[in-house]
Amino acid sequence: AQSVTQLDSQVPVFEEAPVELRCNYSSSVSVYLFWYVQYPNQGLQLLLKYLSGSTLVKGINGFEAEFNKSQTSFHLRKPSVHISDTAEYFCAVASFKAAGNKLTFGGGTRVLVKP
Amino acid sequence: NAGVTQTPKFQVLKTGQSMTLQCAQDMNHEYMSWYRQDPGMGLRLIHYSVGAGITDQGEVPNGYNVSRSTTEDFPLRLLSAAPSQTSVYFCASSARQDFPPDTQYFGPGTRLTVL
Repeated sequence: AQSVTQLDSQVPVFEEAPVELRCNYSSSVSVYLFWYVQYPNQGLQLLLKYLSGSTLVKGINGFEAEFNKSQTSFHLRKPSVHISDTAEYFCAVASFKAAGNKLTFGGGTRVLVKP
Repeated sequence: NAGVTQTPKFQVLKTGQSMTLQCAQDMNHEYMSWYRQDPGMGLRLIHYSVGAGITDQGEVPNGYNVSRSTTEDFPLRLLSAAPSQTSVYFCASSARQDFPPDTQYFGPGTRLTVL
């Protein structure tokens, strides 16, 4: 079984400040890792994903994440946030051995960007 | 392309009523899934399908039925609604179900309240 823990349920941040959202996972097998964003009253949209290769992954809207296998983490960062980044962010994993594209999600981190 | 569409957007049911949440995609995706989103719990997989005529249970399947008679449609049926099924329901699809997993595309969601 696999699980995902997002360590912060809410992160308030001022506009143009950096933000880091923490994600840790547990799995007995290798995993693929994802970050999704959900803007208010919308569905989820993929920000970025780690499948293999470079552990630093760049996504849309200036976000990036770093896969750390030894610490089983996949933290999301943005050097300077905008008001439009106010949203809920979800970390998710898919196991190498899972059938299909079954994703296990973390509980989400709500980011509130203040002017 | 309309992408992934869901109807209705909102629904209120009384305990014991049944209903079907509709999901359709026009991207010819093989893989489709249903998730429910509850505060602090992220998204949890209810049922999924790897192609027409093939469905399987996810993490929280009890109280829900699915079928996949066509590639495009993947309805979710609540047999006898209970207050514990009050949630936001998301349908998702992706192009394939092998490895590495393809990006899942999410619909806008159905907000269901069971009184």
